[in-house]
Amino acid sequence: SQTIHQWPATLVQPVGSPLSLECTVEGTSNPNLYWYRQAAGRGLQLLFYSVGIGQISSEVPQNLSASRPQDRQFILSSKKLLLSDSGFYLCACPGTSNYGYTFGSGTRLTVV
Amino acid sequence: AQSVTQPDIHITVSEGASLELRCNYSYGATPYLFWYVQSPGQGLQLLLKYFSGDTLVQGIKGFEAEFKRSQSSFNLRKPSVHWSDAAEYFCAVPHSGGYNKLIFGAGTRLAVHP
Repeated sequence: SQTIHQWPATLVQPVGSPLSLECTVEGTSNPNLYWYRQAAGRGLQLLFYSVGIGQISSEVPQNLSASRPQDRQFILSSKKLLLSDSGFYLCACPGTSNYGYTFGSGTRLTVV
Repeated sequence: AQSVTQPDIHITVSEGASLELRCNYSYGATPYLFWYVQSPGQGLQLLLKYFSGDTLVQGIKGFEAEFKRSQSSFNLRKPSVHWSDAAEYFCAVPHSGGYNKLIFGAGTRLAVHP
């Protein structure tokens, strides 16, 4: 079964600073990968997904970007953080049965 | 377009009481349906899923859900809640854009009183 590692677990960053969140996957190869954001009091919003190395699709216009430099590595970035970027960021991939996602443990980002 | 509505933002129940969390969906065809649970500060865990067949689906941790096509609902139930069930619960349907993308509801936060 797949395991997703995310780090860091928590992050406090000033407005205007850069961001890099990393997600790595074990136990599968060439998975679809997803970045979701959970803002306070809101559900999960799909930000990006990738079906392979170097391929990124963005679901919503935003201040963030994503990259997939390796098969099992997915990175979420920003050049200049905004207050509105605060939230809980989750990386996910499909499980052994379609749509049964495996999630990472998430990164809590607070922009101050 | 697909959507998922969870009408209850917060629910509080007493330990040992029964529980029903509501989920309504909008989808062009018979959907796949999912319930996930999120413990505080953690990722999400799949509780159960409906693909086809029996409309009453059994999941982990004693949860079940019933698919009702006529009501476009997929409500989650548990006959007797335990304090450890306190968490946030999300209903989800597939995104029409494929690629195994999911659309999640806003979530229902469950508190359990002793």
